[in-house]
Amino acid sequence: SYELTQPPSVSVSPGQTARITCSGDALPKKYAYWYQQKSGQAPVLVIYEDSKRPSGIPERFSGSSSGTMATLTISGAQVEDEADYYCYSTDSSGNHQGVFGGGTKLTVL
Amino acid sequence: QVQLQESGPGLVKPSETLSLTCTVSGYSISIEYYWGWIRQPPGKGLEWIGTIYHSGNTYSNPSLKSRVTISVDTSKNQFSLKLSSVTAADTAIYYCAREDNYGSGTYPRYWGQGTLVTVSS
Repeated sequence: SYELTQPPSVSVSPGQTARITCSGDALPKKYAYWYQQKSGQAPVLVIYEDSKRPSGIPERFSGSSSGTMATLTISGAQVEDEADYYCYSTDSSGNHQGVFGGGTKLTVL
Repeated sequence: QVQLQESGPGLVKPSETLSLTCTVSGYSISIEYYWGWIRQPPGKGLEWIGTIYHSGNTYSNPSLKSRVTISVDTSKNQFSLKLSSVTAADTAIYYCAREDNYGSGTYPRYWGQGTLVTVSS
């Protein structure tokens, strides 16, 4: 089955740039999506179609994708950005199989 | 703004069938979009379960496919999940979501708040 791989944790100081990666064999052909999940809350979409930002998401959140790796970048991370982040994509089988990465715990302190 | 709300029993016995309903407000599910289910075991990551179009086309996670049934009731603006032969491993927060279609797949765009289902005797 298709898998997306993320680092378990990333840690930065406030104001620094945080980068979270997501690797998957189908990413050259499929979009990556990123979700933020704060403790006890439902996930929120922060990046769609590799690099687009939904309305209401701060500009410090950006996304990119190259080859088999997608990257979520938080420029000037804030304490309130501390959360779990999940990438999402679909496999290349044509069967609309959604897949989440294992998640990355971002610590900002 | 579309809103989604999950409902159903919070406790299910092993080997029985888990049944959840998602009620959608602010948008008619018969117009467009896919409508999906995602789950999250306590303290663990997200798992995509499956999705359905208002016409009835469904797609589901191969690892769960034999146990999953997703259906839609456009008259009630609801869609439902049934997961059969549950075990403790199916204990999770279950989320429903509106899934937007980008051509060769879908992605969860708007989420419900989630409902915890515990499998235990």
